[in-house]
Amino acid sequence: AQSVAQPEDQVNVAEGNPLTVKCTYSVSGNPYLFWYVQYPNRGLQFLLKYITGDNLVKGSYGFEAEFNKSQTSFHLKKPSALVSDSALYFCAVRDSIRDDKIIFGKGTRLHILP
Amino acid sequence: DAGVIQSPRHEVTEMGQEVTLRCKPISGHDYLFWYRQTMMRGLELLIYFNNNVPIDDSGMPEDRFSAKMPNASFSTLKIQPSEPRDSAVYFCASSFEYHGRLNIQYFGAGTRLSVL
Repeated sequence: AQSVAQPEDQVNVAEGNPLTVKCTYSVSGNPYLFWYVQYPNRGLQFLLKYITGDNLVKGSYGFEAEFNKSQTSFHLKKPSALVSDSALYFCAVRDSIRDDKIIFGKGTRLHILP
Repeated sequence: DAGVIQSPRHEVTEMGQEVTLRCKPISGHDYLFWYRQTMMRGLELLIYFNNNVPIDDSGMPEDRFSAKMPNASFSTLKIQPSEPRDSAVYFCASSFEYHGRLNIQYFGAGTRLSVL
């Protein structure tokens, strides 16, 4: 069965520093990978996705993610954090072979410190 | 498009009462998902529909929960009778098929349910 893990419940980063939010996955076939962000009292918003092609995917708000097949990881990154990046981030995976549903991780709360 | 619209935004009810949550997906989308979010369990998929037909309801916690999609522009999630442990934020999301596979999901703002 497909699964996704976000090993950190919370990540603290000083404003202006680079940030990384970690995600690892497990699927039977090729993975479709997603990152979503949730701001307080809002629904999830799509940030970026990996389906195929370049391992480095660029998304909204200056975020990017790197697909690493050997490590089964899809970490979210940003070169310089903003206070406004503080939110809850979800990694999600869908198996290219099985099902139409997406499995979400438990989320990582990102705090950007001024 | 106004996006996925959920109503009500907040619902406070007493244990044992029936609760109905509503969702209007984005026009043209053929998939609709219901999720529940709690601090303890994170984001859980309850059920999803394709072309108004329920495909997978394995996440529905109990028989007290039911979901319908009578047409492409409307879905309901009903809890009868409600219990305090049902307190959570319920999200609806919609998507469409792209190149034969499912595309990204668009989420509504959610309904915060409190069962006293």
